[in-house]
Amino acid sequence: NAGVTQTPKFRVLKTGQSMTLLCAQDMNHEYMYWYRQDPGMGLRLIHYSVGEGTTAKGEVPDGYNVSRLKKQNFLLGLESAAPSQTSVYFCASSSGGGISEAFFGQGTRLTVV
Amino acid sequence: AQSVTQLGSHVSVSEGALVLLRCNYSSSVPPYLFWYVQYPNQGLQLLLKYTSAATLVKGINGFEAEFKKSETSFHLTKPSAHMSDAAEYFCAVSSNSGYSTLTFGKGTMLLVSP
Repeated sequence: NAGVTQTPKFRVLKTGQSMTLLCAQDMNHEYMYWYRQDPGMGLRLIHYSVGEGTTAKGEVPDGYNVSRLKKQNFLLGLESAAPSQTSVYFCASSSGGGISEAFFGQGTRLTVV
Repeated sequence: AQSVTQLGSHVSVSEGALVLLRCNYSSSVPPYLFWYVQYPNQGLQLLLKYTSAATLVKGINGFEAEFKKSETSFHLTKPSAHMSDAAEYFCAVSSNSGYSTLTFGKGTMLLVSP
């Protein structure tokens, strides 16, 4: 049982390059999330989705785009990477909002130089 | 609006000592409260959650937390620390209002010394 899988695990980008982070879950969850984790800042929500074909902005959405074309996948895109986007990115999924437990992937460590 | 404040970015205890990690929340509606743990180079996993069924919540690995509405607190405790408890702990809040998502605190790193 894989749970939530993130690809890739590590990436180094040059400023201005683009990339897509892939998140896949096998638990048939409706909700999916992208967070970034920075030292001393906790986890901050970038974007989330409450079902296939839906997306919504979180706390820190600028510079990122997302898509949820299939229920099991949630993609996070950086169109023009900036050093401020150096972070560890976590994907999570849950069966619903509110009371539901969120299950997290192992994270993607992104460095923008 | 909802928010979480964790007091102390680092807490150090000796093995066998009481663990107390503090969390205060702010929410305009009745909250759901969570504690997650993150071991080095891993994702987060749920320790326990408060859903209004009982104010004292027991979780995995001997941890528990008590919801105190009057103090807007949800502190995490464990009677006796183990070396394996060394990790970062995050308190989080959500609600049953609309499409509520988790809002995390900044985390508390627990250091356990022999």
